[in-house]
Amino acid sequence: AQTVTQSQPEMSVQEAETVTLSCTYDTSESNYYLFWYKQPPSRQMILVIRQEAYKQQNATENRFSVNFQKAAKSFSLKISDSQLGDTAMYFCAFYSGGSNYKLTFGKGTLLTVNP
Amino acid sequence: GAGVSQSPSNKVTEKGKDVELRCDPISGHTALYWYRQSLGQGLEFLIYFQGNSAPDKSGLPSDRFSAERTGGSVSTLTIQRTQQEDSAVYLCASSLGTSGGNEQFFGPGTRLTVL
Repeated sequence: AQTVTQSQPEMSVQEAETVTLSCTYDTSESNYYLFWYKQPPSRQMILVIRQEAYKQQNATENRFSVNFQKAAKSFSLKISDSQLGDTAMYFCAFYSGGSNYKLTFGKGTLLTVNP
Repeated sequence: GAGVSQSPSNKVTEKGKDVELRCDPISGHTALYWYRQSLGQGLEFLIYFQGNSAPDKSGLPSDRFSAERTGGSVSTLTIQRTQQEDSAVYLCASSLGTSGGNEQFFGPGTRLTVL
């Protein structure tokens, strides 16, 4: 079974600064997908960024980028130029066909951006 | 609407009563997922549908939980004889298919409180 671990329950950052959220996972599969989801107080889960395991190039989406280390099974999220609207719970998630098409989530990291 | 909708937004019930939670996926999405989010367990997978069929029911916590999907669209999650440990936010998601390349779009969730 796959597991996803987020070791930072809470983090804070000053507005305009950069912050990195950590995620590690465990799997025996070679083909899978990794995601970062954001959940603001409204409860709406929003996809932030996606990485296919077979791609060596790290995914980027505007101010969001990942550091994907397949051998180390590490998948961290970097948020640059943090904004107040980035305040939310961030969940790392794993997906593969072998996981019966379900997303396996980490426990989440609560990120607070301070003015 | 353009997104996944869920109803009711909040539900308070008494222990032992049955509840029905509804999910309206994005039009055209063939895959539909139910997840449960609770303080102690984080986000956990319950069940997924491909069309009207549920190939994997392994995540349902007990036989008090059931789900159905009709017309390849609306899904209902039913909890019979509710218990206090069923209190959680129930999230529904839909996607174009079950490939990991397909983003799962989440609804706002139903917060269930069992007194």
